[in-house]
Amino acid sequence: EADIYQTPRYLVIGTGKKITLECSQTMGHDKMYWYQQDPGMELHLIHYSYGVNSTEKGDLSSESTVSRIRTEHFPLTLESARPSHTSQYLCASSENLFGGNTGELFFGEGSRLTVL
Amino acid sequence: AQKITQTQPGMFVQEKEAVTLDCTYDTSDPSYGLFWYKQPSSGEMIFLIYQGSYDQQNATEGRYSLNFQKARKSANLVISASQLGDSAMYFCAMREGAYNTDKLIFGTGTRLQVFP
Repeated sequence: EADIYQTPRYLVIGTGKKITLECSQTMGHDKMYWYQQDPGMELHLIHYSYGVNSTEKGDLSSESTVSRIRTEHFPLTLESARPSHTSQYLCASSENLFGGNTGELFFGEGSRLTVL
Repeated sequence: AQKITQTQPGMFVQEKEAVTLDCTYDTSDPSYGLFWYKQPSSGEMIFLIYQGSYDQQNATEGRYSLNFQKARKSANLVISASQLGDSAMYFCAMREGAYNTDKLIFGTGTRLQVFP
């Protein structure tokens, strides 16, 4: 069973507010990712990190920012939320590719954000 | 260009029957990995099966098998003896990128509905 946690699970917030979505994993994985997914649609990679102090933007442009100060923690921040940010945000982590590891992603349960 | 293509937005199957979900991919990297994930309506992502590009045999995990045809660049998921609980979105994904700078790219998904 994967040990990756996201909070909050659900968040309804007004336009202009600052929000932080938390993601923590206890598996010691160096690699962590944030995906954005609208209901019933594909997952888009918005941020990823290959280790502490490493962050990169993904394939889908996002106004959010991330930080990776500790291996286990990869929070996502929106400085000023807008209705267009309404979506589900999925955090994931994976092992490094050696020793037969497949690079499988372990996902959190997701954070569903609604901006009014 | 789409790297992972799932051409079936929706599929229906009767309980106890087998169903095949299609996935084609595009990469020039000789080393890659292919994954299938299931996403029930609750939103979490559940890993089902993995196939490495150098694997000689098709992967199997219980009722799930992956029909890997490397020359055709296809990695179809076969679910045998469908159950009502199999109703969900199914995503095909490909791991691409160099060693330890890899990431997973997802297809648009197929919604499977199993009826009694």
